[in-house]
Amino acid sequence: GENVEQHPSTLSVQEGDSAVIKCTYSDSASNYFPWYKQELGKRPQLIIDIRSNVGEKKDQRIAVTLNKTAKHFSLHITETQPEDSAVYFCAASLLSGGYQKVTFGTGTKLQVIP
Amino acid sequence: KAGVTQTPRYLIKTRGQQVTLSCSPISGHRSVSWYQQTPGQGLQFLFEYFSETQRNKGNFPGRFSGRQFSNSRSEMNVSTLELGDSALYLCASSSSQETQYFGPGTRLLVL
Repeated sequence: GENVEQHPSTLSVQEGDSAVIKCTYSDSASNYFPWYKQELGKRPQLIIDIRSNVGEKKDQRIAVTLNKTAKHFSLHITETQPEDSAVYFCAASLLSGGYQKVTFGTGTKLQVIP
Repeated sequence: KAGVTQTPRYLIKTRGQQVTLSCSPISGHRSVSWYQQTPGQGLQFLFEYFSETQRNKGNFPGRFSGRQFSNSRSEMNVSTLELGDSALYLCASSSSQETQYFGPGTRLLVL
């Protein structure tokens, strides 16, 4: 089955700096890659996603890049703010047995230091 | 649309007891997945139900079971509770199994 590895497990950055979280996946058939943000005490929520036919996607200060050849994708957060502090999960989804199956990474705890 | 809801939000049980958690998906969503979240362990996939059928299962012991009703509401049952079952249990609903919409979770404490 699909295996998703996520690095780093923890990340501390100064406010205003950029943060990058990287994920690799094992099954080249994966075709959908969402990122979720989970603030302390809250539920995970989708913040951005990318499909396999796209190399990069941006939404304000957040961007995701996908390298299908290397089977890795990354989340980039620019001009970080304290409210970006949270746990971020990547995921990879592939069509298997007639339906999409999603596998999550292990999460990255991002701390933005004011 | 109303979001995913889970009941109860908090639960305290003792070892050996059993527990049933409930999840109501977003209206129209037929897929419901369950995850166990413990500190440092990320989201551990338990199982996924679609149209009352278990479609996918993670690597958890048989003490963990679930079901889905015709209205897509789902329940998860854990029998013979162990201390290590203390965790946040999240359910997520989806219309396509791509984007997952999570509920607020049920925090279970086993004493």
